[in-house]
This record gives sequence, structure tokens and C-alpha cells, in this order.
Amino acid sequence: GIQVEQSPPDLILQEGANSTLRCNFSDSVNNLQWFHQNPWGQLINLFYIPSGTKQNGRLSATTVATERYSLLYISSSQTTDSGVYFCAVYGNNRLAFGKGNQVVVIP
Amino acid sequence: DTGVSQNPRHKITKRGQNVTFRCDPISEHNRLYWYRQTLGQGPEFLTYFQNEAQLEKSRLLSDRFSAERPKGSFSTLEIQRTEQGDSAMYLCASSFPGQNTEAFFGQGTRLTVV
Repeated sequence: GIQVEQSPPDLILQEGANSTLRCNFSDSVNNLQWFHQNPWGQLINLFYIPSGTKQNGRLSATTVATERYSLLYISSSQTTDSGVYFCAVYGNNRLAFGKGNQVVVIP
Repeated sequence: DTGVSQNPRHKITKRGQNVTFRCDPISEHNRLYWYRQTLGQGPEFLTYFQNEAQLEKSRLLSDRFSAERPKGSFSTLEIQRTEQGDSAMYLCASSFPGQNTEAFFGQGTRLTVV
């Protein structure tokens, strides 16, 4: 199956800092999503981004499908950005997830 | 529509007992997925349905696990003779069929087997 690797696994940020999370995947895909898992465990949709760049407030994402990676940018981080970010790619009729990026934003 | 809904949110059970979880997908979605997530890991695929048909099951889904979607709407996931290793978050997602669609997840059911 498709392998998904996320880096860095853990990230500690000072409030107000910017950061970049990376997702590499092993095969060409037609569908990629970024999620934020809240403290109660629910996966919140951030971006559906099979290719190109999208922005939503302080978050933006870029997927370069031909080079098999996606980036999630967090600008001017806030404590509410803390949590685990997952990248998931679609293949074989299901989403395959990475292990996530654990982000802690300290005030 | 308020999104994907899962019940219960939490379940604590004794080893050896049976448990059943329910998932109500977004009403227009005919694809429904079950995933399992353990601590420190990403969600892992268990099974999926297209309407009422269960089209694929992961090898993670042992014979103690069974899932149904009898009328192509809500789905249930039953675990028989629970073991401590079954303790995990069980997540349900729904989408339109095909590869170019966005999946949405429910709140999850956190199972603890004592």
C-alpha cells in the first residue's frame, strides 16, 4: 500500500512563530487531505488538496503531486493550533495516514 | 446535516464482553469507512462500505470483529469477546464514492477494555 511519512514528528513553537509540516508519500495520488486532531480525538478537515496551493486564514497547504509531497504552513501560531496534524492520501479505496506531526504551541 | 455522528463517545468494558458502536454518516454519502487508532499512531483502515455492501476488510479485522450497514445508511461495528489489545479509538468516516472526494470523520468512540 501507499506509505505516508510526516516530518517532523514533534514540534514545539513559541506563540507567534511560523512552521512548516511535511508529508511525503510513496506513490502518485489523486487525493490528499490534511487534518487536525482535536484533544477529544476528532479529525477536523483542514484541506482537501490533491495538487496546488490553498489558504485558509493562517493555514496554507501546497501539494506537489509529481514530486510526491505536501506541505502545511502555520503562520503566527496560536496555542489553539496545538495538537496532532495528519496527512492522508487516497489509494486502494481508502485513506492511508501518516503517523502525524505533534505540535505544541507555548505562550 | 450536522456531519458524521458516532455513538457512544466512550465505552469501558470488561475483557470478554461484546461491544457495539454506531456510526451515522453524512446522509448523501454512500461510502462509509471504519478506522482504528492507537496511541501515537495514525488511523488504520479496517473496512469500508459502498451503500450496504461491505467491499473490503483489512487483515486487522479479526473474526471477532463484524461490521454491518443494513440499509446503506448507518453502520455498526461489533467486537466480540473483547481483549485488552482492542482498546483504541474507533473512527468512522463517510464520503461520496471515488478517489476525488473528500472524507469527513466522526468524533470517534474511545474503547477501553479492562
